[in-house]
Amino acid sequence: AQKITQTQPGMFVQEKEAVTLDCTYDTSDPSYGLFWYKQPSSGEMIFLIYQGSYDQQNATEGRYSLNFQKARKSANLVISASQLGDSAMYFCAMRGNTGNQFYFGTGTSLTVIP
Amino acid sequence: DVKVTQSSRYLVKRTGEKVFLECVQDMDHENMFWYRQDPGLGLRLIYFSYDVKMKEKGDIPEGYSVSREKKERFSLILESASTNQTSMYLCASSLTWGAGRNTIYFGEGSWLTVV
Repeated sequence: AQKITQTQPGMFVQEKEAVTLDCTYDTSDPSYGLFWYKQPSSGEMIFLIYQGSYDQQNATEGRYSLNFQKARKSANLVISASQLGDSAMYFCAMRGNTGNQFYFGTGTSLTVIP
Repeated sequence: DVKVTQSSRYLVKRTGEKVFLECVQDMDHENMFWYRQDPGLGLRLIYFSYDVKMKEKGDIPEGYSVSREKKERFSLILESASTNQTSMYLCASSLTWGAGRNTIYFGEGSWLTVV
């Protein structure tokens, strides 16, 4: 069964500090992709970062990096130098190569404190 | 840039009404999805379609139906709206795995209130 788990319903971080949002996954697909999305209060889902299961290096996109530990089945998102505009819901998601579905976690609400 | 457009951002409907939520994507994606989002429950898949006229049930299809007559358009239908269908609905699209970028792209969401 495919499953994504986010165990942190809410997180707080001081402005300019780094924060790690946790994500673990379970899949039997030999090849898969892991994603992070940001959802501000306006509702739109913004794609942040993608990691393929066979990628040799951890993905990075600006202030976002994905700490991919395949053996532990974890794909944590690291946001460096937090900004007030980072306050939002963050969703981890997975897609396997044997189907067309995407699987989402329940999300983590991040609040950046000035 | 990929664009997924949902026809209505905010809707208020009465119990028992038939409700149509329309979604159009402009990137020739094979796959289209309808999700429902509720606080604390994350995104739950209602239906998805991997080709024209093809559909598969997701996790919560009860009370919903879908239509995909053209590749770019995927409609969600609430046959008889009920108050427990008050929610935010997200449409999304993607390419088939391995055909290119594996990302899923979302519309802006439709906030539906059933009174």
